[in-house]
Amino acid sequence: AQTVTQSQPEMSVQEAETVTLSCTYDTSESNYYLFWYKQPPSRQMILVIRQEAYKQQNATENRFSVNFQKAAKSFSLKISDSQLGDTAMYFCAHYYGSARQLTFGSGTQLTVLP
Amino acid sequence: GAVVSQHPSRVICKSGTSVKIECRSLDFQATTMFWYRQFPKQSLMLMATSNEGSKATYEQGVEKDKFLINHASLTLSTLTVTSAHPEDSSFYICSAPGGGMSYEQYFGPGTRLTVT
Repeated sequence: AQTVTQSQPEMSVQEAETVTLSCTYDTSESNYYLFWYKQPPSRQMILVIRQEAYKQQNATENRFSVNFQKAAKSFSLKISDSQLGDTAMYFCAHYYGSARQLTFGSGTQLTVLP
Repeated sequence: GAVVSQHPSRVICKSGTSVKIECRSLDFQATTMFWYRQFPKQSLMLMATSNEGSKATYEQGVEKDKFLINHASLTLSTLTVTSAHPEDSSFYICSAPGGGMSYEQYFGPGTRLTVT
């Protein structure tokens, strides 16, 4: 079974600073995908970034980047130049193709302070 | 990107009644949809996988007779909470996988159910 662990229930960061959210996972699959989703107070799930496991290069999307360590099964999210609108719950998720299901971590509530 | 809608966004019902929640893929077809339940400040818990033209697959511990799922077309899945009780009050979210090789899930905006 796939499991995803987020060990930081809550984090805060000053506006314009950088913050890193941690995520580890366990899987027996060789080909899979990892995602970070953001859930703001509206509760709409928003895709932040995704990483294909077969790609060694870390994914980046503007101010968001990941540190993907496949051997260590680690997938952290770095948010640079934090903005107030980044305040949200962040979920790390694992996906593998045969079941087409996402397995979510428990989430990290990030608060960006002015 | 693809859009998934849910209706209603909020519903209040009395204990013992049933309530139906609709999940629609607006600009793509979805042979599979997923239903999640989310309690405050917690993660999404997968309840069931809705399959177009066949029976839904329920996760362990989810009562099939209480949470009826129907996937009547390639763009619509419904979740009916039967004989609702206050403990069924929660936030329900549906999602649908994008087609092709995207592997991305598109989420509906969620439905807040309150049972009084």
